[in-house]
Amino acid sequence: TQLLEQSPQFLSIQEGENLTVYCNSSSVFSSLQWYRQEPGEGPVLLVTVVTGGEVKKLKRLTFQFGDARKDSSLHITAAQPGDTGLYLCAGDNYGQNFVFGPGTRLSVLP
Amino acid sequence: NAGVMQNPRHLVRRRGQEARLRCSPMKGHSHVYWYRQLPEEGLKFMVYLQKENIIDESGMPKERFSAEFPKEGPSILRIQQVVRGDSAAYFCASSPILNFGTSLSGELFFGEGSRLTVL
Repeated sequence: TQLLEQSPQFLSIQEGENLTVYCNSSSVFSSLQWYRQEPGEGPVLLVTVVTGGEVKKLKRLTFQFGDARKDSSLHITAAQPGDTGLYLCAGDNYGQNFVFGPGTRLSVLP
Repeated sequence: NAGVMQNPRHLVRRRGQEARLRCSPMKGHSHVYWYRQLPEEGLKFMVYLQKENIIDESGMPKERFSAEFPKEGPSILRIQQVVRGDSAAYFCASSPILNFGTSLSGELFFGEGSRLTVL
């Protein structure tokens, strides 16, 4: 059974601070995705990382895929209240199965 | 709006009744996934379907739960004889056709979910 772990589980920070959240697994995935979910809504895809060692930047968000394609990190620079939400990572096995981590619940206080 | 459409958004049932949740995938997507989410928890995979085929139902309870994706019409997740423990948000996601065995991968596009409350 493939499992994804995410840390920290909860994170509360002040506006303007930087943060990093982690997604780890003992399994190799064909790609890994990050989603953000707001209360009462469905998850929304932020990024897909495919190549080991890949780094992708999306404005203030930086995503990294581990060399062995088992882990990933999400770094947010100068967090804003609008970044508040549940951040989910998901491992993809060529579309046959998407396994989700339990999520990191981020709260950015003004 | 070409997004994933789920209905109903909210459904209340009494114990023992049936719940039917519907999902229309994005236009052009032939793969549908159903996930369940309990409050303050992540997404738990239930079932993966293509048109007229169940590809993987390993996450779905063996009893009372069933899913289908007919040739015409939406995908349906059916829960018979609901119990209080079935109360949750049920999310549907769709994905385009993939090239298996290559470095390409799928991406999930989620609906807004159906929230089932069992009294």
